[in-house]
Amino acid sequence: QKEVEQNSGPLSVPEGAIASLNCTYSDRVSQSFFWYRQYSGKSPELIMSIYSNGDKEDGRFTAQLNKASQYVSLLIRDSQPSDSATYLCAVRPNSGYALNFGKGTSLLVTP
Amino acid sequence: DTAVSQTPKYLVTQMGNDKSIKCEQNLGHDTMYWYKQDSKKFLKIMFSYNNKELIINETVPNRFSPKSPDKAHLNLHINSLELGDSAVYFCASSFDRRYEQYFGPGTRLTVT
Repeated sequence: QKEVEQNSGPLSVPEGAIASLNCTYSDRVSQSFFWYRQYSGKSPELIMSIYSNGDKEDGRFTAQLNKASQYVSLLIRDSQPSDSATYLCAVRPNSGYALNFGKGTSLLVTP
Repeated sequence: DTAVSQTPKYLVTQMGNDKSIKCEQNLGHDTMYWYKQDSKKFLKIMFSYNNKELIINETVPNRFSPKSPDKAHLNLHINSLELGDSAVYFCASSFDRRYEQYFGPGTRLTVT
């Protein structure tokens, strides 16, 4: 089983702060990396995808990938209470179709 | 327009019954998936289906069988339901295996 590890949290940040979510993966030849947000009782919602080393920015979200160190992170700037959710890191290995998910990090943004 | 849809949203049934969950996507994607999210919220792949190629997660009991009448649909049939099958089942689709997967709203299955 190719593992994806996340700190389960909860990670608590004040409104307006930067939330930093981290993820490590064991399959060195993984090719595609995704961050999903899941509100309680809802389905996973894609936030970001990243395929190459470096940073990728989309609005308040920045994904960072370091394949040599086998970690991917998500930064949320100007955090809002509506960002409170579980954030799932997903990794697609070099072979196969399916995503391997981490167990998610619970984020709580306090007003 | 709903991109990936599932029916039913909730399913309550007794042990030993057979049930099906339907999934449809209108995104024109080639690959569809079934995931199971257990009570601990861990999301795990069950099946991938692409161009009639079925890839089965080896840990999935053979009581579970996916059926795809066409590229836009991937249904999940479950025989002889057990208490441990209670979970939320998500359907997902992607244009290609390399790219983003989009999830349906989920079906919460409760086996009593």
